[in-house]
Amino acid sequence: QKEVEQNSGPLSVPEGAIASLNCTYSDRGSQSFFWYRQYSGKSPELIMSIYSNGDKEDGRFTAQLNKASQYVSLLIRDSQPSDSATYLCAVLDSNYQLIWGAGTKLIIKP
Amino acid sequence: DAGVIQSPRHEVTEMGQEVTLRCKPISGHDYLFWYRQTMMRGLELLIYFNNNVPIDDSGMPEDRFSAKMPNASFSTLKIQPSEPRDSAVYFCASRRTGGGEETQYFGPGTRLLVL
Repeated sequence: QKEVEQNSGPLSVPEGAIASLNCTYSDRGSQSFFWYRQYSGKSPELIMSIYSNGDKEDGRFTAQLNKASQYVSLLIRDSQPSDSATYLCAVLDSNYQLIWGAGTKLIIKP
Repeated sequence: DAGVIQSPRHEVTEMGQEVTLRCKPISGHDYLFWYRQTMMRGLELLIYFNNNVPIDDSGMPEDRFSAKMPNASFSTLKIQPSEPRDSAVYFCASRRTGGGEETQYFGPGTRLLVL
């Protein structure tokens, strides 16, 4: 069974530091990779997508993809209390199905 | 542009009652997904439609669950009869095909409590 693994956390990071969120996936034929953010009581919202190996930066967010290691990460620079949320990794597999991780709860401490 | 619309936002019902959840996808989106989210099981895909046709319903937990999409702008998820273990947040999401864009856009969810 195809899987997407994330550490459930909580991951506690001081305000202003870099938060690093990690995700591994089992299907080597996976095509596309997404990071969604979900605030408590709200719906998931897309914050980053990445399709090729390397880094993709968008403001304070950087997604990193390493297909050889089947690993995708999300870095949040200058972490703010408003970044406190659950971050969901989602992977579009070789059957064009979106497989979801269980999410990592991130807490930014002021 | 309006996002995905779901109704009701909250539903409290008693065991054995029928529950109907409604979803209006984003205009122009040809895929529609129904998810269920609980603390224990996380986000689970129940069923998805492409151009109003159900493609994969393998995530539907039991025959008590059914989903329909009579047209491109409306879908329902029905639970009959409901049970306490169905208590969860049910999300509807939609996306469009093509342009390298596979982002799913989620509605606000329906919080269901079955007593």
